[in-house]
Amino acid sequence: DTAVSQTPKYLVTQMGNDKSIKCEQNLGHDTMYWYKQDSKKFLKIMFSYNNKELIINETVPNRFSPKSPDKAHLNLHINSLELGDSAVYFCASSQDRVFSGYTFGSGTRLTVV
Amino acid sequence: DQQVKQNSPSLSVQEGRISILNCDYTNSMFDYFLWYKKYPAEGPTFLISISSIKDKNEDGRFTVFLNKSAKHLSLHIVPSQPGDSAVYFCAASAQTSGSRLTFGEGTQLTVNP
Repeated sequence: DTAVSQTPKYLVTQMGNDKSIKCEQNLGHDTMYWYKQDSKKFLKIMFSYNNKELIINETVPNRFSPKSPDKAHLNLHINSLELGDSAVYFCASSQDRVFSGYTFGSGTRLTVV
Repeated sequence: DQQVKQNSPSLSVQEGRISILNCDYTNSMFDYFLWYKKYPAEGPTFLISISSIKDKNEDGRFTVFLNKSAKHLSLHIVPSQPGDSAVYFCAASAQTSGSRLTFGEGTQLTVNP
């Protein structure tokens, strides 16, 4: 019973395609996040949703659009994929009442060719 | 503007010895600090945290030290075990920024048998 699950784990696609990454958490957490780990290994926040409401939206191209149908799900849709989008994308969640860090998913390695 | 820095990209220690991983930060608003451990092809997992009201927190073989005046924290692992070989990320948050975590670039720890 995985706490934060992402699908797919690996995604190889051509430039210009549109793709989605799904994330689900069964921890009852209120907040979910998308982080990007680039080739330099930095983990950088992209988006954060709290109870389906967008609360953090970093400087990310408009081609990236998060969608949260309910507080247990946060999906990431990417339009017109570019080579530079190749990275590992991590979903995470946290609880609000007593913040004690995140629980991460296992990551999605996106390769754009 | 890298607010959390881990200046050592890698560290190699002998099994049974102490591992010391360092982290520096620049944002004086940070008041909660965490260490995450990451194995290849997995998401980061929470290891230990410390609030800015403390200068030390211990959990088994892991101890985190916080020096607020120097804006420096360190993670001590003793004794080190081969299974500790992983990438270790330092992260920080500020109450004023909600649940946003800012990560360092990670340190690859290798524990040799």
